[in-house]
Amino acid sequence: GNSVTQMEGPVTLSEEAFLTINCTYTATGYPSLFWYVQYPGEGLQLLLKATKADDKGSNKGFEATYRKETTSFHLEKGSVQVSDSAVYFCALILNSGNTPLVFGKGTRLSVIA
Amino acid sequence: DGGITQSPKYLFRKEGQNVTLSCEQNLNHDAMYWYRQDPGQGLRLIYYSQIVNDFQKGDIAEGYSVSREKKESFPLTVTSAQKNPTAFYLCASSIDGSGYEQFFGPGTRLTVL
Repeated sequence: GNSVTQMEGPVTLSEEAFLTINCTYTATGYPSLFWYVQYPGEGLQLLLKATKADDKGSNKGFEATYRKETTSFHLEKGSVQVSDSAVYFCALILNSGNTPLVFGKGTRLSVIA
Repeated sequence: DGGITQSPKYLFRKEGQNVTLSCEQNLNHDAMYWYRQDPGQGLRLIYYSQIVNDFQKGDIAEGYSVSREKKESFPLTVTSAQKNPTAFYLCASSIDGSGYEQFFGPGTRLTVL
């Protein structure tokens, strides 16, 4: 089946530290990959996406590269801020077949000043 | 302003009562989804609809019902058969069910008293 595994949280970093949140996937077909972010008490917002192998998604200083050979889509940011504190979800959807998004369990990030 | 609205933001109900959560979108999206999120947990799919007058059960459909009579509306009813209904409910939509990202509403927090 289709599944997403992301690193367990919570992750606590100091401001300006480097962030990596690991995400790996299994898929029966050819997926598009996403990172969503959820701030406290809110819905999810799309952070970035990549639709084919070797694509790099980027937004607000965050980046993730679609690695087909390692079935990974790790999220990185060079210098985190307190305002980045949130829960981050990795997700995939198959590019055909009308199946819903498959989410990882989420990783909570806390950035302290 | 295009987007997804959910109402109300907070909802309280007495045990044994049915309650309906509203979800409306003006994005002209064909597909709509309902998720449940429990504290510290990821998202679990309740129901989804890829076209008007059609919907499918997700992973945790028991105790819930939906309808899709209009393209822009996908209400969720939490019935008294749902044993543990207190949770945060998120509605989402996408262009269609294949390969596109989902856009999320702000969520409804349901508390059973």
